[in-house]
Amino acid sequence: GAGVSQSPSNKVTEKGKDVELRCDPISGHTALYWYRQSLGQGLEFLIYFQGNSAPDKSGLPSDRFSAERTGGSVSTLTIQRTQQEDSAVYLCASSHRGLDYTFGSGTRLTVV
Amino acid sequence: QQQVKQSPQSLIVQKGGIPIINCAYENTAFDYFPWYQQFPGKGPALLIAIRPDVSEKKEGRFTISFNKSAKQFSLHIMDSQPGDSATYFCAVTGANNLFFGTGTRLTVIP
Repeated sequence: GAGVSQSPSNKVTEKGKDVELRCDPISGHTALYWYRQSLGQGLEFLIYFQGNSAPDKSGLPSDRFSAERTGGSVSTLTIQRTQQEDSAVYLCASSHRGLDYTFGSGTRLTVV
Repeated sequence: QQQVKQSPQSLIVQKGGIPIINCAYENTAFDYFPWYQQFPGKGPALLIAIRPDVSEKKEGRFTISFNKSAKQFSLHIMDSQPGDSATYFCAVTGANNLFFGTGTRLTVIP
């Protein structure tokens, strides 16, 4: 596609439910990042995929968070047993050469 | 551990002014220094970037100044416009690592 696509754009879920957030990177981009951005805050690194290498999961805040990337393309971020503090915008970015990253518009997650 | 420190947190300038946003890093392994611009409700978008082999790069009204010895770089916006009001993030990259500063919220008053 022309850009990084994220879905859904907005998600409201009840505390304790599981959610899945999807990222479609730009075709051919081998590097993919997930970030979390709380209201008015900076970008918190969550996880990084590079080609077929094992992902860098060092930013995941708890074991309730997991992510996978199938076939080196689409990525899914899963949050289990959501908590109110998980409310944030989740951003995905992809890159071809690991230099200039293109971001999606994000998924705004609200846990009520 | 914050890999890159960004200041100020917020900045207000009059139209036509020249806001300056500063970033500092420690790890000399970083070899690419981009700036991202983010409007409300949107993801960050690459604005301009520099490599450490040059001291300055200009693209339109945006200029990056880079001081390799001091491990600092800054963004200057010439003739700032209300449409430049956004949050600006500096970043550092190297060996497939990408780290962002904490962001600067810029407001340009008409």
